[in-house]
Amino acid sequence: EAGVAQSPRYKIIEKRQSVAFWCNPISGHATLYWYQQILGQGPKLLIQFQNNGVVDDSQLPKDRFSAERLKGVDSTLKIQPAKLEDSAVYLCASSPDSNYGYTFGSGTRLTVV
Amino acid sequence: DQQVKQNSPSLSVQEGRISILNCDYTNSMFDYFLWYKKYPAEGPTFLISISSIKDKNEDGRFTVFLNKSAKHLSLHIVPSQPGDSAVYFCAASAPGGSEKLVFGKGTKLTVNP
Repeated sequence: EAGVAQSPRYKIIEKRQSVAFWCNPISGHATLYWYQQILGQGPKLLIQFQNNGVVDDSQLPKDRFSAERLKGVDSTLKIQPAKLEDSAVYLCASSPDSNYGYTFGSGTRLTVV
Repeated sequence: DQQVKQNSPSLSVQEGRISILNCDYTNSMFDYFLWYKKYPAEGPTFLISISSIKDKNEDGRFTVFLNKSAKHLSLHIVPSQPGDSAVYFCAASAPGGSEKLVFGKGTKLTVNP
């Protein structure tokens, strides 16, 4: 089966600019996650979708981050405006219902300068 | 407050020997534990998991041990191979149906030929 697709792979922006990341999960996977991995840290959950509904967004900085999953398939994560501390790898993952063995995408490495 | 701790940032072993990666957790509500392996520029990949009702799970060269009273788990790789060189993340989840994972910071394993 095809894996989780993410784009772009790399992005460099200046602080206060906006940026968007795209994720296409594995076909049929109802649950989609966005994780943020800062260098030297483990991945941290930003938001979890079940189909097109939000299950958990408690760690999403909602003043600058937003995410949507229209039609319950692919998803976009947006940062506006970006800060230096947003520099990280943004990982998208998907799983079938009630399955911990997610499949992660390769991630988007964001550098904010 | 880091709920999942991997206190060794790095580990170096000789090919053919045993690799032991350790993980401690603080949240007694965690009931499911996973190990992920991550190569550079790739997303984490699921390796092995264990439920809190077990104390051992084995899959080929990989064995995970869980000591609930000590809130400690370990991943054993025997025998270690150069292709095992990667960053290993320990992750945990609490019941509640969201399958949200809390990750440790990771341990970089280097297996020397």
